[in-house]
Order: sequence, then structure tokens, then C-alpha cells
Amino acid sequence: AQSVTQLGSHVSVSEGALVLLRCNYSSSVPPYLFWYVQYPNQGLQLLLKYTSAATLVKGINGFEAEFKKSETSFHLTKPSAHMSDAAEYFCAVSDRTGTDKLIFGTGTRLQVFP
Amino acid sequence: KAGVTQTPRYLIKTRGQQVTLSCSPISGHRSVSWYQQTPGQGLQFLFEYFSETQRNKGNFPGRFSGRQFSNSRSEMNVSTLELGDSALYLCASSWGTRLETQYFGPGTRLLVL
Repeated sequence: AQSVTQLGSHVSVSEGALVLLRCNYSSSVPPYLFWYVQYPNQGLQLLLKYTSAATLVKGINGFEAEFKKSETSFHLTKPSAHMSDAAEYFCAVSDRTGTDKLIFGTGTRLQVFP
Repeated sequence: KAGVTQTPRYLIKTRGQQVTLSCSPISGHRSVSWYQQTPGQGLQFLFEYFSETQRNKGNFPGRFSGRQFSNSRSEMNVSTLELGDSALYLCASSWGTRLETQYFGPGTRLLVL
């Protein structure tokens, strides 16, 4: 069965610093992986997705993630944090057993300090 | 293009009541999925509807049900509400073919007293 683990429920960075949010997956089939962001009192917005086309995936707002099969990881990075990046970030894997329900990690809350 | 809309945005109910939440998908999308988000359990899949048929179901009790109409709009119903049903209920739509991106609505926040 597919699952994802997000290491670190809270991450704090200074504005301009590197953002690194960690996600490890477990999947019995080649995974399809996603990063979503949730701002307060809002739904989820897709940042980027990996569907086996390229291991380095670029998303919106300057975020990118690299799929590393050997490490079963799909960490999210951004070179320079902005105050507006403060939000909760969710890693998800698609359950490919039939339909595409998403299995989410527990989320990482990103705080950005000036 | 209009996004996924959910109504109502906020709802307060008491234990034992029932509630119906509505979701209008992005125009042309035929798949609607529902998720429950709570601080304790995180984001959990409830069910998915495609072309008016339930295509997938999560591990929730039978008190949670849904349906989809011919225009792809979907409703979910929770009967005999319990305190633990307090959550943000998110709806997501997609074209319905494999591995399409799911687009989420803003959610309905349900508080059960």
C-alpha cells in the first residue's frame, strides 16, 4: 500500500533562506507524487507533481522537488523563502490501485521570519 | 475558468442531526472526490464519484454518504452527527482519467456541538 511520511511537522526559516521540506514515500508500484500547499482557511493548491517524466519537477512560486528512487524521497525545496510562503505543505501519493485517490502525509507547517 | 466551489463554507450542527454539503466541480470535470481534514487524523479520503457512480470509497462508517448528479455536482451527507465529525470537508474535482490533477475547493468547515 502507498504511504507518505513528512519529517518535521514544523519548519522555521528566515526570509531569503533555503526552504527544505522532507517527504519519503512507500509504494508497491512506481509512485505518482504531489506537493500541495494550504493557506489558512483555504483549500489545497497544487504546487507540483511527479508522474515519471522527469526526476526534477518545477512547480509554482519557485518551488521544485526531486524524485530520488534510491532514497524513496520527494523533498520540496525553494532557494529563497518569502514571507508569503508561510503555509502548511502536504506531500501526497496517488493510490494507483484503481482510481486516483490521494494519500496525504501529515503536513509540515512552514514559518518564515523576517 | 471558475474553480471548485463548496457550499456552505461554515456550518454548525448539534449531535444527532444530519448535514448535507455541496460541491460544484470545475466545468467539464467528471470526477469529484471528498476528503475530511482534522487536526488529529489529517487528510483522509472519503469517496470519489465519476459519472454519477461511486468509484472508490475510504474507510468511513455508513453515516457518510454521497451522490453525484448528471451535471457532475456532488453532495455528501453525514447522518447522526457525532462530535468527532467536526472537520474541514474538502472537495476536489478532475477530468476523471488516470492521474489527472485534482483541484480542491475551499472546503466546508463543520462544527458539531
